[in-house]
Amino acid sequence: DGGITQSPKYLFRKEGQNVTLSCEQNLNHDAMYWYRQDPGQGLRLIYYSQIVNDFQKGDIAEGYSVSREKKESFPLTVTSAQKNPTAFYLCASSDRGEGGYTFGSGTRLTVV
Amino acid sequence: SQQGEEDPQALSIQEGENATMNCSYKTSINNLQWYRQNSGRGLVHLILIRSNEREKHSGRLRVTLDTSKKSSSLLITASRAADTASYFCATDAEDTGFQKLVFGTGTRLLVSP
Repeated sequence: DGGITQSPKYLFRKEGQNVTLSCEQNLNHDAMYWYRQDPGQGLRLIYYSQIVNDFQKGDIAEGYSVSREKKESFPLTVTSAQKNPTAFYLCASSDRGEGGYTFGSGTRLTVV
Repeated sequence: SQQGEEDPQALSIQEGENATMNCSYKTSINNLQWYRQNSGRGLVHLILIRSNEREKHSGRLRVTLDTSKKSSSLLITASRAADTASYFCATDAEDTGFQKLVFGTGTRLLVSP
């Protein structure tokens, strides 16, 4: 079955640590996206990529970094510079044109 | 930035009743989409309506779009307890050939048996 996989489901980070969230898709989609969701809130765009080896900052990119070395993979690193990283992180992918996004099941990150 | 504001923020109804939620947005768009999110899960795409369309149906879902008022509504008819979820509108205004959705704040729907 085609889909998008995020791992881990839960992640705990100590103060000052960098952590990397994984996102893999086998849908052959060109575009991939990372969103952050805070409790009771909508989704805010962190980074997106429309093609391999290229990515763009979204609305809240500070304290985050990404790479897009393969079409299937778009990992997100939450760096120590992100002062309030506790949130639910969602990865999505889409094809060119219309059709909507396919979302992963999310990673819940907690700072301990 | 969040393009869409949804109303109401929360809605509680009985099974069998209809649920209506509204979305307002700020700029011109190519299309507007509605998504559903069960608690602690990813979002699921429900329906897309293009800017030149006024109404669209999919099963028990009916979506309307009024571009002059920059607003949309999602109607779920004959609701079921399994419809309990958060519902988000999202707008696409990109002209690059790729989507870049901006999401609203969501409506939490509770359907009681």
